[in-house]
Amino acid sequence: EPEVTQTPSHQVTQMGQEVILRCVPISNHLYFYWYRQILGQKVEFLVSFYNNEISEKSEIFDDQFSVERPDGSNFTLKIRSTKLEDSAMYFCASYRANEQFFGPGTRLTVL
Amino acid sequence: AQSVTQLDSHVSVSEGTPVLLRCNYSSSYSPSLFWYVQHPNKGLQLLLKYTSAATLVKGINGFEAEFKKSETSFHLTKPSAHMSDAAEYFCVVSAGGTSYGKLTFGQGTILTVHP
Repeated sequence: EPEVTQTPSHQVTQMGQEVILRCVPISNHLYFYWYRQILGQKVEFLVSFYNNEISEKSEIFDDQFSVERPDGSNFTLKIRSTKLEDSAMYFCASYRANEQFFGPGTRLTVL
Repeated sequence: AQSVTQLDSHVSVSEGTPVLLRCNYSSSYSPSLFWYVQHPNKGLQLLLKYTSAATLVKGINGFEAEFKKSETSFHLTKPSAHMSDAAEYFCVVSAGGTSYGKLTFGQGTILTVHP
């Protein structure tokens, strides 16, 4: 069964460094999302992406964040200058037929 | 705006006994509602969804939920718990009543199943 994949599973970085989190959505899906879950907190929406542009973003998704679908298969989340508070589990999702399918997540640790 | 409140942060049951995980929602629109499950070190898996069809929704692994508009509730139940049901469960509402909108998650309920 097709599934959303994410790489890496765990990323450790120094504060101020740029990170790129990668996702491969299910191939015939049209909507894509990033969510995050800070340890002990709720899963929070970051951004949705449709037709090669951002369709909605949360207040968390400031200028430090960007998303891209560079080649028709990958969907990336870039954080330009990481902060300690960016440490979280980041989930990618794609949508079809009334369901958002989630990937296994990337745990980002900012030191 | 929409929101979800899961009324219990932890629920503990014995194997073979019923499970009840409670959820109340708030939505400006006729909502789309979901329950997702997260096993340790795994991603989020959809258990079931309500998208304005039948109010009693059946999902995977014997779970079901009933949409009650008058009570703004969407509680998750299972008649008989299994050890493999131990996980964290999230009640989720979708923006604008569409399931492709942003999802708003509850804070989660950790289900523990004792032998």
